[in-house]
Amino acid sequence: AQSVTQLDSQVPVFEEAPVELRCNYSSSVSVYLFWYVQYPNQGLQLLLKYLSGSTLVKGINGFEAEFNKSQTSFHLRKPSVHISDTAEYYCAVSGSGGSYRPTFGRGTSLIVHP
Amino acid sequence: GAGVSQSPSNKVTEKGKDVELRCDPISGHTALYWYRQSLGQGLEFLIYFQGNSAPDKSGLPSDRFSAERTGGSVSTLTIQRTQQEDSAVYLCASGGGAGVGGTQYFGPGTRLLVL
Repeated sequence: AQSVTQLDSQVPVFEEAPVELRCNYSSSVSVYLFWYVQYPNQGLQLLLKYLSGSTLVKGINGFEAEFNKSQTSFHLRKPSVHISDTAEYYCAVSGSGGSYRPTFGRGTSLIVHP
Repeated sequence: GAGVSQSPSNKVTEKGKDVELRCDPISGHTALYWYRQSLGQGLEFLIYFQGNSAPDKSGLPSDRFSAERTGGSVSTLTIQRTQQEDSAVYLCASGGGAGVGGTQYFGPGTRLLVL
């Protein structure tokens, strides 16, 4: 079984400030990790993903995430946020072998204030 | 090219009625997923189709829920005898890879309201 915990349901931040959205997972197998974003009134889209290789993954819109196997974390970061980053962010995990079933976290609402 | 489309975009039904939700995946995508998104609950996996393999139905919440995928393309999610707790946004996604590790492309969703 696998699970994803997004520790913050809501993260308010001022424009141009740095932000970190936290994600922890548990799994008995090797995993692939994803961050998806859902802008207001839009569908979900992939922000970035970790499959293998370098643990620092860069995505769209200046976001990056670091896979930390020992801490089972995949936190999302951006050094300077913009108003347009206001959205719901979902962390997801899937097994990298054997039975496949994607598991999503409950989401973190990033609210960027001017 | 065209993305994943879902219909209807909104559906209001009475408790006890059956509903069918449709998903048109991106052409050529072999993987197709259904999720349910409830307020404050994140995305709940329902079912996964991969090519001609038997679908992974492990996420379906009850036997009132079923899904099929015809010709490896269009998929229909059917909810029989709807209950008020079925009210949610139902999302469909398709993927080009084998599912594991593959990016999912989401449709706009069908918002279901059961009165």
